[in-house]
Amino acid sequence: DGGITQSPKYLFRKEGQNVTLSCEQNLNHDAMYWYRQDPGQGLRLIYYSQIVNDFQKGDIAEGYSVSREKKESFPLTVTSAQKNPTAFYLCASSTSDPRGYGYTFGSGTRLTVV
Amino acid sequence: KQEVTQIPAALSVPEGENLVLNCSFTDSAIYNLQWFRQDPGKGLTSLLLIQSSQREQTSGRLNASLDKSSGRSTLYIAASQPGDSATYLCAVRGPGNQFYFGTGTSLTVIP
Repeated sequence: DGGITQSPKYLFRKEGQNVTLSCEQNLNHDAMYWYRQDPGQGLRLIYYSQIVNDFQKGDIAEGYSVSREKKESFPLTVTSAQKNPTAFYLCASSTSDPRGYGYTFGSGTRLTVV
Repeated sequence: KQEVTQIPAALSVPEGENLVLNCSFTDSAIYNLQWFRQDPGKGLTSLLLIQSSQREQTSGRLNASLDKSSGRSTLYIAASQPGDSATYLCAVRGPGNQFYFGTGTSLTVIP
């Protein structure tokens, strides 16, 4: 079945440590996105990529980095510069054709700083 | 910048009741609008997608309408069930492949 796989489901980070969240899709979608969700708040866009080897900052990119070396993969690194990284992280993908299906989301990664 | 608003923020209804969730957006230049469901601690599940040229979409007990000119969409849930309890989000897709989300409506269906 086609879909988006995020791993791990739960991740614990020590202060000052970088961690990488994985996002893989087999939907042949061109565009991929990372969102952050805090309790009781809406989704905030961190980074997005519309094509391999290209990506743009979203609304809250500071303290995060991404790469897009393959169409299927869009990993997110939470760096030590991110002061409040505890949150629920969601990856999504879409077709580049706006008449396409729309967003498909992964099941999320919950990151906790310990 | 596109702004998406969902009202009410929370809703509690008895089982069996029909209900309507609202989504409004400020810029009518959209390609489509999508309704999602999110259960606690889970990702978003797509419920319905309405293209800008369409007026409504139906799936089972769900019906979503779109009035692009007035910047409004509604999600109608018929004969609500406790299993419908979740947060419902709407998102609009605009130019430049940007998606804009509302903050959601938290629905509780009381048995």
